[in-house]
Amino acid sequence: EPEVTQTPSHQVTQMGQEVILRCVPISNHLYFYWYRQILGQKVEFLVSFYNNEISEKSEIFDDQFSVERPDGSNFTLKIRSTKLEDSAMYFCASSEGFGDPRKETQYFGPGTRLLVL
Amino acid sequence: AQTVTQSQPEMSVQEAETVTLSCTYDTSESDYYLFWYKQPPSRQMILVIRQEAYKQQNATENRFSVNFQKAAKSFSLKISDSQLGDAAMYFCAYRSVGGNKLVFGAGTILRVKS
Repeated sequence: EPEVTQTPSHQVTQMGQEVILRCVPISNHLYFYWYRQILGQKVEFLVSFYNNEISEKSEIFDDQFSVERPDGSNFTLKIRSTKLEDSAMYFCASSEGFGDPRKETQYFGPGTRLLVL
Repeated sequence: AQTVTQSQPEMSVQEAETVTLSCTYDTSESDYYLFWYKQPPSRQMILVIRQEAYKQQNATENRFSVNFQKAAKSFSLKISDSQLGDAAMYFCAYRSVGGNKLVFGAGTILRVKS
């Protein structure tokens, strides 16, 4: 069964450094998402992406964050200048489309654990 | 804004027995989706079951079933014949029809005792 994959599984970085988290969504999916989960807290929506544009973003997704689909398979989340509070698990998800429940269901990757020191 | 509440931080069940995980939500919308996701210790969040709000019939997937009470805004997950592999964090989530984001509850850790 197709899966969403994410790399790296763990990333340690120094405060102020840039990080890029990578995701490969399910191949026929058109909608892509990033969520994060700070340790002990709820999973929170960051951003959704469709047709090479951000379709929705949360208030967490400020100018330090950006997303990109650099080619036909990858979907990336960049944090330009990491802060201590960016330490979290970051999940990528994808869905096929809209119009029926099956297509709108989001499938998640295993996550990237980001630690900012 | 929609909110999802899971009031049970942790639950335990004996292998082969049945357990019910609770979830309530708040919304002013009439049409939406509700989900249960499972996150085992290996971290991959896996879809367990989905319920469309316009359907009165409760969704079932093998040993997993839901009790969807739309008027009460309640969406509980029943796991029958619990297995050791069911041990995980379970998240309840809400999504508007045609919306982008999932709104998650805080999760319930399920422990299965042999």
